[in-house]
Amino acid sequence: DIQMTQSPSTLSASVGDGVFITCRASQSISNWLAWYQQKPGKAPKLLIYQASSLESGVPSRFSGSGSGTEFTLTINSLQPDDFATYYCQQYNSSPCTFGQGTKVEIK
Amino acid sequence: EVQLVESGGDLVQPGRSLRLSCAASGFSFHDYAMHWVRQAPGRGLEWVSGISWNSGFRDYADSVKGRFTISRDNAKNSLYLQMNSLRADDTAFYYCAKDIEGVTSPQHINYFDYWGQGALVTVSS
Repeated sequence: DIQMTQSPSTLSASVGDGVFITCRASQSISNWLAWYQQKPGKAPKLLIYQASSLESGVPSRFSGSGSGTEFTLTINSLQPDDFATYYCQQYNSSPCTFGQGTKVEIK
Repeated sequence: EVQLVESGGDLVQPGRSLRLSCAASGFSFHDYAMHWVRQAPGRGLEWVSGISWNSGFRDYADSVKGRFTISRDNAKNSLYLQMNSLRADDTAFYYCAKDIEGVTSPQHINYFDYWGQGALVTVSS
């Protein structure tokens, strides 16, 4: 199975900050990567698919980049609603696998 | 509005069985593959099982193969997960998730555009 490693595991930031979350794959996954946001007690919400495509209805302050084995989720100007845990998912090879998550906390 | 509502979560003893259900609405359920993804408390996400739109293909994570069975009833817009021989490490929230397409197979996997709120399965004596 492809291993997905996110960094950092926890990130402390303030409202208005720019935030960068990295996801690395144990082998090339082309651009078959999705990002999800999860708040406590809630279902994951799709943010980005195919590494850089923004899901409909997701604010434009979220963006994704990368290909091959290294990917980045960027949140420009962090908003109070953005404090959550973020997961990457590869869907290049079965089974799909997820990163361990990055928790974005209030500084 | 797409809605996925899981039910059937419970506290069960090791070795026992449990069946989860997921009621879908707001989209053409019969057109899409569906999946179960689980999350142990305080842990990350783990794909468990997937089924194609017509039940023609079903797949399982190695950790549940031979113990869990996924099924669907397109007439009832419902997805199911029959879990047998439950173990303590099966304890988790179980989410049903909608695929973006109807087909799922080892050669064709996708991401998930909608998820349910989850059902908690606790396996403990």
